Formats: sequence, structure tokens, C-alpha cells
Amino acid sequence: AQSVTQLGSHVSVSEGALVLLRCNYSSSVPPYLFWYVQYPNQGLQLLLKYTSAATLVKGINGFEAEFKKSETSFHLTKPSAHMSDAAEYFCAVSVNYGGSQGNLIFGKGTKLSVKP
Amino acid sequence: GAVVSQHPSRVICKSGTSVKIECRSLDFQATTMFWYRQFPKQSLMLMATSNEGSKATYEQGVEKDKFLINHASLTLSTLTVTSAHPEDSSFYICSARDISAGQGSFGRNQPQHFGDGTRLSIL
Repeated sequence: AQSVTQLGSHVSVSEGALVLLRCNYSSSVPPYLFWYVQYPNQGLQLLLKYTSAATLVKGINGFEAEFKKSETSFHLTKPSAHMSDAAEYFCAVSVNYGGSQGNLIFGKGTKLSVKP
Repeated sequence: GAVVSQHPSRVICKSGTSVKIECRSLDFQATTMFWYRQFPKQSLMLMATSNEGSKATYEQGVEKDKFLINHASLTLSTLTVTSAHPEDSSFYICSARDISAGQGSFGRNQPQHFGDGTRLSIL
């Protein structure tokens, strides 16, 4: 079975500060991992993905994430937070075994607040 | 590119009404679409996987007679909530995967593109 765990349901940072959102995964097969962002009353937008190529993945809006197999982690970072980064962030793993069709299993989400 | 349109964005209706939600891939084709449900301040839970030309695959605990899914073409999947009750009120989100990603293991694990969701409120 596969799962993801997001540590911290709410993270608050000051504008310009480092953003760090934590995600740990569990998977018996090589995982495909994603970070999505959700703004209020909207769907999800892909930030970045890990598909077994480079372990440091760069995404949109200045975000990046590093896949660390030894730590089973895929934390999301951004060097300098902007007010527009305030949103809900979801880490997800693609179900990748058996007869799966690649549906996503999501973490519980982390709400990012950015203070001026 | 890779735009998914979901309609309507918001529905308010009386208990007992059936509600249809459409999910369209606008600039790509999708043999597989997914329907998720999101409760307030919670994560997304997969309800069912919709396959073009065949029956949908429902997750455990999801009533297939309650949530009817039809994937009539490579660009359209619909979810119909039949005889809706207040407990069906939720945020429903669809996603689709580009057919050009392929059907093999690599293709199945490519990113999904999400619609903007439908807020369903049953009075």
C-alpha cells in the first residue's frame, strides 16, 4: 500500500521568509510523487512532480522539492515567500501497483499563511 | 494547455433532486478521468475512476447507484448524484490524464489535470 503524510496542517511564515512544507511517503514500489496547490474554491494546480529522474525537482512559482529515499521524504520549499503563495498545499503519491490506473492518494494538506 | 473544465461550479438544490456534473478536457483527450470528493478543510478522497467506453471503477464505500458516472467520449465524463440528500453536500473535483501520456506504467503515473470543482449544497 502507498500513503503520504503531511506534517503540520497549518504553516505560517512572514513574507520573504523560507517556506518549508513537509511530506513523508510510504511505498513498497518506487513512488511517483506530486505537490499540488489549491486556492479557495478552486481545483488543484500541479506545482511539481517526481518521476524517478532527478531527485531535486524544480516546479512553478519558485517552488522545488527534494526526493530523499533514505528519509522517505519529499519536502516542498521556496526560498522567499510571497503573499500570493497563501493557499492549501497537497502532497500526493500515484498508486503504482497491481492493476491500478494511477489514481492519486493525497495527504491531508497544509494550509500556508503568509504574513506581511 | 491541459485545461479541464468542470461545470457547474456551484449548485444549490432541494433534497431529492438529481444533479449532474460535467468534466471536460478542452485541449486533450482522456481515456481515464477521476472523481474526487473533498469535505471542508479535508483532503481529497477518490470516489471513482471513469473509463471511456467502459464501466467506472468505484472505491470501497461509494454507492454506484447513488453516484452515476458516464464517460461518453474521450473528452467528457459526467457524475450524477441521484436523489441527493444534505449529507451529499460537498466539493466534487474531477481530474483527467492526457491520453498521449500512454497507458503503460509510466503513462499511468503522469500528472492529472484538475477541474475547478463543483460546490454542491443540498437543502
